[in-house]
Amino acid sequence: GAVVSQHPSRVICKSGTSVKIECRSLDFQATTMFWYRQFPKQSLMLMATSNEGSKATYEQGVEKDKFLINHASLTLSTLTVTSAHPEDSSFYICSARVREWGYGYTFGSGTRLTVV
Amino acid sequence: DAKTTQPPSMDCAEGRAANLPCNHSTISGNEYVYWYRQIHSQGPQYIIHGLKNNETNEMASLIITEDRKSSTLILPHATLRDTAVYYCIVQGAQKLVFGQGTRLTINP
Repeated sequence: GAVVSQHPSRVICKSGTSVKIECRSLDFQATTMFWYRQFPKQSLMLMATSNEGSKATYEQGVEKDKFLINHASLTLSTLTVTSAHPEDSSFYICSARVREWGYGYTFGSGTRLTVV
Repeated sequence: DAKTTQPPSMDCAEGRAANLPCNHSTISGNEYVYWYRQIHSQGPQYIIHGLKNNETNEMASLIITEDRKSSTLILPHATLRDTAVYYCIVQGAQKLVFGQGTRLTINP
């Protein structure tokens, strides 16, 4: 149980275009989801906290206008990378807390974004 | 949230027990210790968590010292598929903050 489905798993886009990443909680409701970014050989870095029905909370240094987060329902959060540039190439991962796990986190499988 | 300290890397022979240490000397009374692991190019996977008692599940055992300042994750019979980066995280409030973790390599 407590599965988070993340799509796409891999995407290549041209510089200047936008890319949307979806994260769905399949068998539970996630009022809060978290978005992380991970560069090669580095740890996960929290980008933002996505709250259902309200604005996302961004970590310091993360551009709100570049990384648009929408959490319109209890099972879906999306991250849109706008006007992507090669430096946005990274591994993006979403997660949600699971009450049955003592509020431990379940994670999506990640999206490998390559901007060319 | 309390900070954790883990060795950057460890090796273990296949079939043996892998014991991964973690120091969390500034942990407060209501903070849990969580362990996650990340296999290459995948999202992290929850392993186990505990407050002050030792815990065991189908994946691993978690031993927490009486003063709660350190813990050890035990994989009883390591397999090659257990090769991953293991993260020990003290989880209090909302945000989950990852350190650098321990890169565990299981050798045949």
